[in-house]
Order: sequence, then C-alpha cells, then structure tokens
Amino acid sequence: GAGVSQSPSNKVTEKGKDVELRCDPISGHTALYWYRQRLGQGLEFLIYFQGNSAPDKSGLPSDRFSAERTGESVSTLTIQRTQQEDSAVYLCASSLEGLENNEQFFGPGTRLTVL
Amino acid sequence: AQSVTQLGSHVSVSEGALVLLRCNYSSSVPPYLFWYVQYPNQGLQLLLKYTTGATLVKGINGFEAEFKKSETSFHLTKPSAHMSDAAEYFCAVCRSNDYKLSFGAGTTVTVRA
Repeated sequence: GAGVSQSPSNKVTEKGKDVELRCDPISGHTALYWYRQRLGQGLEFLIYFQGNSAPDKSGLPSDRFSAERTGESVSTLTIQRTQQEDSAVYLCASSLEGLENNEQFFGPGTRLTVL
Repeated sequence: AQSVTQLGSHVSVSEGALVLLRCNYSSSVPPYLFWYVQYPNQGLQLLLKYTTGATLVKGINGFEAEFKKSETSFHLTKPSAHMSDAAEYFCAVCRSNDYKLSFGAGTTVTVRA
C-alpha cells in the first residue's frame, strides 16, 4: 500500500514569505507527527496529532509555526514570515494508535530553503 | 527527558567488515529504542526496535542491536557490510509511556570496496 507522502519535495522561498507543507499519512493511521531535520543534526519533534485529541504542540519553535490536521487524514504545516534558520528538511510520520504500535512510518520529507 | 548520543558522525568500513554503530541514551523511565536508516533522498525506514522482552533484537538487512540497561546502550551491528548499507543511521528513544521520539544526530556509513 501507499506510504506517507509529502509535498512539495523541495521548496525555495524568500525570507519573510509564508510556506505550507503538506503530509498525507498512511490510511488508517490515527497518529501523525511532524519533525524538523537541520543539516547535520538529528530530528527535532515539532507537533503530534492523535485522533480528535488536542495536538501536542510542545515542539513548535515559535509562534510562526502552526499545523492543522483534517480528521485523520491530511496535515499541513505552515511557517509564517520564514527566516533563514527555518531552512531544513521537514519530515512527517504516521503510526497506528497505541504506544505498543509506536512504529512511525516516515515520508520522504520536504526540503525547505529560505533565501 | 530523554536524550540520545551517537558516537561518531561518520563511520567508514570495508565491504565484508563488521559494522558497529554506537548509541547511548538517557531516560527516566524504561525506554523504547529504535534504529532508523535513511538512504539518500528517501524517508527514514525502521531497521529494528526494542520495547520489551528479549534484549537482542534482530532487524532487517542483517542488522541487530542489543539493549544493555546497565550501560544505557543500544549499539547496532552487522557482521558483514555490504555496499548497499551506505546510508545515514539514526538511533531514537521514547519513554514507554510516551510517543515522542528523541533522535540522535545520526551516523553516516560509507562502505569501501
């Protein structure tokens, strides 16, 4: 079956512009995660959605970052007034509900470059 | 809070040689431990995971890892490297009662012919 997909695969933007990144999780996966991977660093947790529960936004680095999820499907990560330090690969993952099923399946990521 | 340390950002091995990637973690509660691999221009793929039970975990592509609580380690090994093992490898940890993964900085493996 289809894996996690993300679009666009690459995004180049100018400092100060807003960007939207999209994630389509695996069908049936109720949990969805966003991570950021800066060059030469590990993944940083950004936000977590689980079903209809309030999202865990504890990893969002500033109020310029926000994310939404429609039901148990598509999610969008929005970065407003982008800065050069926002340049990174943004990865989305999804998993089944339940901690014992915490195998997160990752998408290929969106590479964001802020000029 | 959990944290992960991967020793060595780059590892170079000869084809057929042992691959050893080191991972140490800190966690205030029993951890779940993971190794992911990232091939160029692809997403992360789960190699193996430890949750409970047997401390020696076997994964895909001939990799295995051993959870050693006394050493707070979860080192990844493969007896004989193949050219296709060239990739970046990430160790990750989460608390057994949580879902947030904390990742190490990654180790890039190159395989010499």
